[in-house]
Amino acid sequence: EAGVTQSPTHLIKTRGQQATLRCSPISGHTSVYWYQQALGLGLQFLLWYDEGEERNRGNFPPRFSGRQFPNYSSELNVNALELEDSALYLCASSLEFRGLYEQYFGPGTRLTVT
Amino acid sequence: KQEVTQIPAALSVPEGENLVLNCSFTDSAIYNLQWFRQDPGKGLTSLLLIQSSQREQTSGRLNASLDKSSGRSTLYIAASQPGDSATYLCAVRQGYNTDKLIFGTGTRLQVFP
Repeated sequence: EAGVTQSPTHLIKTRGQQATLRCSPISGHTSVYWYQQALGLGLQFLLWYDEGEERNRGNFPPRFSGRQFPNYSSELNVNALELEDSALYLCASSLEFRGLYEQYFGPGTRLTVT
Repeated sequence: KQEVTQIPAALSVPEGENLVLNCSFTDSAIYNLQWFRQDPGKGLTSLLLIQSSQREQTSGRLNASLDKSSGRSTLYIAASQPGDSATYLCAVRQGYNTDKLIFGTGTRLQVFP
């Protein structure tokens, strides 16, 4: 069974540009989560999508947005990039099964803003 | 506001030692707790998940315990190997309808031959 996949692996942008990151969940999983891992700041929750709807978002400005498609894949958009947006962006998926909500993570997209 | 802390921040041990990694959280009203490992620059690999009603979970050389009332979890690694070298993260899920994970600060483990 294929795991969570993310693309691209690396992304280099300049300040002010827009970045689009993509995530494909494990087959059958309906929930997708986005996390940011910036140097020195640890893993921070960004967004949660379930059944095509945004269910929760972390403490990030509105220029971080995303969506979930009918096939449950997701994309994260970051507008007006700032230098501090440089980070590893991790996507995770899960499926509720008997009360368990174990999250499975992808390999991440390394975003560098210059 | 939930805060998750891991001690120690870094650990370097010789191969073969048994290890204990600690995770503490300030709000005991959690739904579950997950332990992950992260290799440098990579994603997270789920190791163990403990529901709030459980006391421990085991997988191979790994054993995780949970004491919800005192806000603590430990990850026990038996007979450590160089391949265990990684950063270990614990994360708590606060509630049924709050699906985000709140991560700890991580323990960076190095096991040398």
